[in-house]
Amino acid sequence: AQRVTQPEKLLSVFKGAPVELKCNYSYSGSPELFWYVQYSRQRLQLLLRHISRESIKGFTADLNKGETSFHLKKPFAQEEDSAMYYCALAFRSGTYKYIFGTGTRLKVLA
Amino acid sequence: ETGVTQSPTHLIKTRGQQVTLRCSSQSGHNTVSWYQQALGQGPQFIFQYYREEENGRGNFPPRFSGLQFPNYSSELNVNALELDDSALYLCASSFSGGAETQYFGPGTRLLVL
Repeated sequence: AQRVTQPEKLLSVFKGAPVELKCNYSYSGSPELFWYVQYSRQRLQLLLRHISRESIKGFTADLNKGETSFHLKKPFAQEEDSAMYYCALAFRSGTYKYIFGTGTRLKVLA
Repeated sequence: ETGVTQSPTHLIKTRGQQVTLRCSSQSGHNTVSWYQQALGQGPQFIFQYYREEENGRGNFPPRFSGLQFPNYSSELNVNALELDDSALYLCASSFSGGAETQYFGPGTRLLVL
């Protein structure tokens, strides 16, 4: 069955330290993967998607099909990065379906 | 450009009742998806509507049903409410069906007593 796993519920790092939020997926086809972010008192919004290969707010994510991973990385964390991060998979099974992970709360400490 | 709006913001129902939640899609979007988010969990996909037709469905029973109107706004209906239906219900719109970027509304918090 298709699945998205985010193993860490909470990740705390100091400002300026590197960040890696882990995401593993289970899907045998070609995945469409996304990272969504929810800042405090804001709605869920797209951070980045793998097909665009963009760097947003200094974050990047590389799709590793061999390890079925789509980890989110940033070399130097900032306090404003503190938020809830969700990895999501879109796939076609007849019609499209979407699976979100359980989320990782990132806390960047001063 | 108007973002995705949802109504009501929150409501309380009792077990066995029926509820209708509403969503207005972002301007220019023809696709609406609905999600259920229980406390401490990620959003779970209920279904998607594309140009007034159901375009995909997650693992939810038939008592979860929906509609999309010609202006692309949408309703989520839940019949025979159960305690476990208590959750935040999110609506998201996108330019088209498929693996497009989704733009989320603020959600409707439903409490079933």
